[in-house]
Amino acid sequence: KAGVTQTPRYLIKTRGQQVTLSCSPISGHRSVSWYQQTPGQGLQFLFEYFSETQRNKGNFPGRFSGRQFSNSRSEMNVSTLELGDSALYLCASSTLTGKDAEAFFGQGTRLTVV
Amino acid sequence: GDSVTQMEGPVTLSEEAFLTINCTYTATGYPSLFWYVQYPGEGLQLLLKATKADDKGSNKGFEATYRKETTSFHLEKGSVQVSDSAVYFCALRRQGSGGGADGLTFGKGTHLIIQP
Repeated sequence: KAGVTQTPRYLIKTRGQQVTLSCSPISGHRSVSWYQQTPGQGLQFLFEYFSETQRNKGNFPGRFSGRQFSNSRSEMNVSTLELGDSALYLCASSTLTGKDAEAFFGQGTRLTVV
Repeated sequence: GDSVTQMEGPVTLSEEAFLTINCTYTATGYPSLFWYVQYPGEGLQLLLKATKADDKGSNKGFEATYRKETTSFHLEKGSVQVSDSAVYFCALRRQGSGGGADGLTFGKGTHLIIQP
């Protein structure tokens, strides 16, 4: 069974640009969540999608947005990039949404903003 | 808001030593608790979980018990191996108000180094 696939693995962008990251969940998983990992702030929840609907959102500015498609694949978009957006962005999928759900993580996309 | 506190390390042990990584949490209600492990260059892997008080999660020789009275979920292993070297994250997840769940709230992670 294939795991969670994130593309691309590495990205370098210039301040002010926008970027789109992609996540393909494990087959059959309908929930996709996104997390930002930085050395200073650690792992922080961005948002969760379930059946194409955003179910929950973390405390990030509106520059961070996402969507989920009918095949459960998800994209995350960051507009007007800032240096502080440099981070490892992790996607996680699970079969259900709920506090007991086991989240399976991808390897992440390493975004560097210069 | 919710929070998870764990030692950041690095924690350095010799092979076959006993391991304890402390984790305490602050949350309203009855969250589920998780331990995740991250190997270099990899994403996070679920190590074990517990969904209610006094539950014990276990996997690959690791154990943790959900202690509501002390709001703790300490990770233990009786005999560590070099291959256990990684960063370990304690996390919680609460049921949200809209039918789904809140996102995972993570601790800062504990860097574990096992020397042969």
